[in-house]
Amino acid sequence: ETGVTQTPRHLVMGMTNKKSLKCEQHLGHNAMYWYKQSAKKPLELMFVYNFKEQTENNSVPSRFSPECPNSSHLFLHLHTLQPEDSALYLCASSQGRSTYEQYFGPGTRLTVT
Amino acid sequence: AQSVTQPDIHITVSEGASLELRCNYSYGATPYLFWYVQSPGQGLQLLLKYFSGDTLVQGIKGFEAEFKRSQSSFNLRKPSVHWSDAAEYFCAVGDGRDDKIIFGKGTRLHILP
Repeated sequence: ETGVTQTPRHLVMGMTNKKSLKCEQHLGHNAMYWYKQSAKKPLELMFVYNFKEQTENNSVPSRFSPECPNSSHLFLHLHTLQPEDSALYLCASSQGRSTYEQYFGPGTRLTVT
Repeated sequence: AQSVTQPDIHITVSEGASLELRCNYSYGATPYLFWYVQSPGQGLQLLLKYFSGDTLVQGIKGFEAEFKRSQSSFNLRKPSVHWSDAAEYFCAVGDGRDDKIIFGKGTRLHILP
C-alpha cells in the first residue's frame, strides 16, 4: 500500500451504534489530520496530531473521539452520532507544520440513519 | 489569522478553452500557498505549492499558479482544459507556525464539450 489509506470507504450506522474509522499513512510523516466535508460546506478541520500528540481540536463534539497510537495510524471513534454528522471524512498526513503539503486519503463516506 | 477566499463557487468553461481560478488570501507575512483538486467521492490531490522564490509555479496536469503579493492572490491557470479537469478546486494557505493549513470553500469546475 502506498500513500494514505482509509477504511471503510463507506459506512452506514444508526444513531445508537459505535463504529470506528481507520486511517494509515505509508509516507513516513509525523502529522495526521481528520477533516469533515459536508455537502455545500467548506472543508472542516477536526483534529491534528503531531508525533502522536494532539495539537488541534477544533471544537469537535465529544461523540467524535480520535486516537493516534503511532505516527502511522489514526482512528476516529464514533458513538451516538446525529444525522447531520453524515459526511465524507477525510484523513491526511504531512511532515508537520503548514510549510508542508498534506496528502489525503480517499475518505470514508458516512451515513447516519 | 490567515484566511482564504475563492470568490467563484462554480465556473463553466468549454473544453480547450483557457482557465483561471481565483484565490485571495489574508496573511501579513509571506504565506505558504497550495492548490488542491478533488474529483467526486475522492480525497484531495495536491496540484502545486508556493513557498518562496519564483512567483510562477508549475504543477501537475499542466496547471500553473502565480503569486502576486501586491494583490494577495494566488490564481490557478491552465491554457487549455480537458474534460477530465472537471472537479472541485481548493486553494489553501499556511503560515508555517503550526500544523494546519486553511482551505478555501472551493470552486467547482464544469467543462462543456
